Amino acid sequence: AQSVAQPEDQVNVAEGNPLTVKCTYSVSGNPYLFWYVQYPNRGLQFLLKYITGDNLVKGSYGFEAEFNKSQTSFHLKKPSALVSDSALYFCAVRAHYGGATNKLIFGTGTLLAVQP
Amino acid sequence: DAGVIQSPRHEVTEMGQEVTLRCKPISGHDYLFWYRQTMMRGLELLIYFNNNVPIDDSGMPEDRFSAKMPNASFSTLKIQPSEPRDSAVYFCASSSPQAKNIQYFGAGTRLSVL
Repeated sequence: AQSVAQPEDQVNVAEGNPLTVKCTYSVSGNPYLFWYVQYPNRGLQFLLKYITGDNLVKGSYGFEAEFNKSQTSFHLKKPSALVSDSALYFCAVRAHYGGATNKLIFGTGTLLAVQP
Repeated sequence: DAGVIQSPRHEVTEMGQEVTLRCKPISGHDYLFWYRQTMMRGLELLIYFNNNVPIDDSGMPEDRFSAKMPNASFSTLKIQPSEPRDSAVYFCASSSPQAKNIQYFGAGTRLSVL
């Protein structure tokens, strides 16, 4: 079965500290992995994606994510958190059903709270 | 481009009434997705279209829900009759292979069924 797991409902971090939001996946075929962010009362916004190439992917707002094939993980990271990073973060993987589709399977989301 | 446009932003209705949510995708995008977000169930894909044709409607909860895409620039999600458990935020998103399959989301419609 294809799935994405975000094991933490909430991550708390102090401003200026590094942050990590965890994601693991299970998918047939080569994974296309995405991170999205949702601010209150807004739609999801694309942050970054991994398709192929370097395992470290850089995205918007200083975020990056590391693809680890052996651990089937795609954790989101940022070296120094800002209060304005506080939001809901979703990991997603492109579904394969005997071939790639444009359907994304989303995780349950992780609420990031950055304390000043 | 203005992005994905959804209307209305908020809808309050009474149980049993018909509700129609609207979406205008980004011009040139050939995939359109409808999602529902609730605290209990998270983000659920309801249906998606490719070139105006429904491809996967396995997430549509029941026959009370229907979606159409009469042309490349407009889609509707209709609930008839509405029930209180349909209260949620409904998102529309669009994408295309040219946009590297990134889905771009609208601001959502917050539906409250009383």
